[in-house]
Amino acid sequence: EADIYQTPRYLVIGTGKKITLECSQTMGHDKMYWYQQDPGMELHLIHYSYGVNSTEKGDLSSESTVSRIRTEHFPLTLESARPSHTSQYLCASSQVPTDTQYFGPGTRLTVL
Amino acid sequence: GDSVTQMEGPVTLSEEAFLTINCTYTATGYPSLFWYVQYPGEGLQLLLKATKADDKGSNKGFEATYRKETTSFHLEKGSVQVSDSAVYFCALRESNYQLIWGAGTKLIIKP
Repeated sequence: EADIYQTPRYLVIGTGKKITLECSQTMGHDKMYWYQQDPGMELHLIHYSYGVNSTEKGDLSSESTVSRIRTEHFPLTLESARPSHTSQYLCASSQVPTDTQYFGPGTRLTVL
Repeated sequence: GDSVTQMEGPVTLSEEAFLTINCTYTATGYPSLFWYVQYPGEGLQLLLKATKADDKGSNKGFEATYRKETTSFHLEKGSVQVSDSAVYFCALRESNYQLIWGAGTKLIIKP
């Protein structure tokens, strides 16, 4: 059982608001990831981190930003939410040598 | 670049039927291969994996064999249950540790 948590699980917010999606893991994994996924569809990597103070953009262009100040915490921030940001956001973590990614339950974001 | 192709869904079966979900890949090196499952309203769970050619991953009655000669990693189960209804994702891991995902296959099992 993976110990990776995301809050909130569901968020409905108005256009222009600043939001932060939280992701924490208690497994001590160095690597963490954020994916964007429309329900039941393909996952798109938007950010990843290989350790503290390391962040990179993924394949899908995103207006969000991330930070990695602590190993266990990898929050994602949208400075000004728009309806096009409506989606599900999945956080994952992994560790060498297996590098198997473990996922949180996801945050379903709706921007009105 | 590397890619993963899955059969399109939805796949609809009756309970106790035999399941195959096809997955093929293209890769320049020797990737690890994974099947993840996403139940309705939940995040993804690792179902099984294989790290080298001819390896067989298995879990919860599901199996998949890493076939390098056909670049395939098809998911099979001998007798499906209604509780197996979910979206199944095939993925490969590149040498830089990023996952390349298939588009997902929705499985619907009818009682």
